Amino acid sequence: EPEVTQTPSHQVTQMGQEVILRCVPISNHLYFYWYRQILGQKVEFLVSFYNNEISEKSEIFDDQFSVERPDGSNFTLKIRSTKLEDSAMYFCASSLNEQFFGPGTRLTVL
Amino acid sequence: GEDVEQSLFLSVREGDSSVINCTYTDSSSTYLYWYKQEPGAGLQLLTYIFSNMDMKQDQRLTVLLNKKDKHLSLRIADTQTGDSAIYFCAEGHGNTPLVFGKGTRLSVIA
Repeated sequence: EPEVTQTPSHQVTQMGQEVILRCVPISNHLYFYWYRQILGQKVEFLVSFYNNEISEKSEIFDDQFSVERPDGSNFTLKIRSTKLEDSAMYFCASSLNEQFFGPGTRLTVL
Repeated sequence: GEDVEQSLFLSVREGDSSVINCTYTDSSSTYLYWYKQEPGAGLQLLTYIFSNMDMKQDQRLTVLLNKKDKHLSLRIADTQTGDSAIYFCAEGHGNTPLVFGKGTRLSVIA
């Protein structure tokens, strides 16, 4: 069964460093998303992407964040200068209708 | 803004039925979802229901939707220890960002 995959599963970085989180959505899906979950809290929407552009973004998704679909399969989330409060689980999702989530990348900012 | 509320904890004995409840505020939601999250893992789509339905059954899972009260429930029949996880209710409109509840931690006692 097709699934969303994410790499790496765990990323540790120093404050101020740039990180890129990678996702491979389900191949025939058209909509792509990033969500995050701070430990013990709700899953929060960051950004959605359709037709090679951002379709919607939340207040969390500020200038430090960017997304790209560099080729036909990958979908990336870049955080330019990480802060301690960026530590969270980051989930990628894709959809045609219902949204399927990847296993997440746990980002730890030290 | 839109909000989804769930009780935080539920404890049941193995073999009993579990009922996890959720309320939401957005009356225009078209999709209502249940996701399961096991420790350290991603979000597994368990089931979803369209807003024009009252009930959906899928093996041991039964979803009931009361649109008037904006109340959604997930019933797990014959609950097993492997069902222990956090269950998230989420609402959306197809390919729009999902709004999640805080999750209900289900503990199954053997």
